[in-house]
Amino acid sequence: QVQLVQSGAEVKKPGASVKVSCKASGYTFTSYGISWVRQAPGQGLEWMGWISAYNGNTNYAQKLQGRVTMTTDTSTSTAYMELRSLRSDDTAVYYCARDLSVTTRAFDIWGQGTMVTVSS
Amino acid sequence: DIQMTQSPSSLSASVGDRVTITCQASQDISNYLNWYQQKPGKAPKLLIYDASNLETGVPSRFSGSGSGTDFTFTISSLQPEDIATYYCQQYDNLPTFGGGTKVEIK
Repeated sequence: QVQLVQSGAEVKKPGASVKVSCKASGYTFTSYGISWVRQAPGQGLEWMGWISAYNGNTNYAQKLQGRVTMTTDTSTSTAYMELRSLRSDDTAVYYCARDLSVTTRAFDIWGQGTMVTVSS
Repeated sequence: DIQMTQSPSSLSASVGDRVTITCQASQDISNYLNWYQQKPGKAPKLLIYDASNLETGVPSRFSGSGSGTDFTFTISSLQPEDIATYYCQQYDNLPTFGGGTKVEIK
């Protein structure tokens, strides 16, 4: 079945970096874009950015520009999100999500989420 | 960034009630508006895309309407399993989400 499986929970100190993976299966990886969305504890959803699995083009949320990098490895159908210079307010569940289609940025398949805790 | 104002932030309704949630965009987004359901501890689930299209497998009691800046999401007959938080999301520009509406049973 179509699914996205993310890497496990992380605990990081302020100033460190984290890299979360998202492995796709059950569909042609390069035919869909992947977005990353995060959710701080008890808060709403925040879109972080998007990467084309076809050509690696990216769009990032302005507030994260310079701290976030999204990449893909087409040989393993895996997307990655790296966030640098972590702060306490980066503590959140991080989700990867697949675009519904090339023209519709609705997220139809989601990973299970990865909890990232930033604490000294 | 396009701001999405969702209301109410929470509501309480009885089983069988009609429930309506609204989402207002800070500028014209045509029909580039999606709706999600999120249950506690779970990833969001896509219900409606492009303002009014029901995602495959989603019950027909869920519906969406609107275009431009004003959008509505409706549950025609609230069921116990519909208890969740609902979010709108625009993608006319870089995607942004509304603040969410928590739906509870009265």
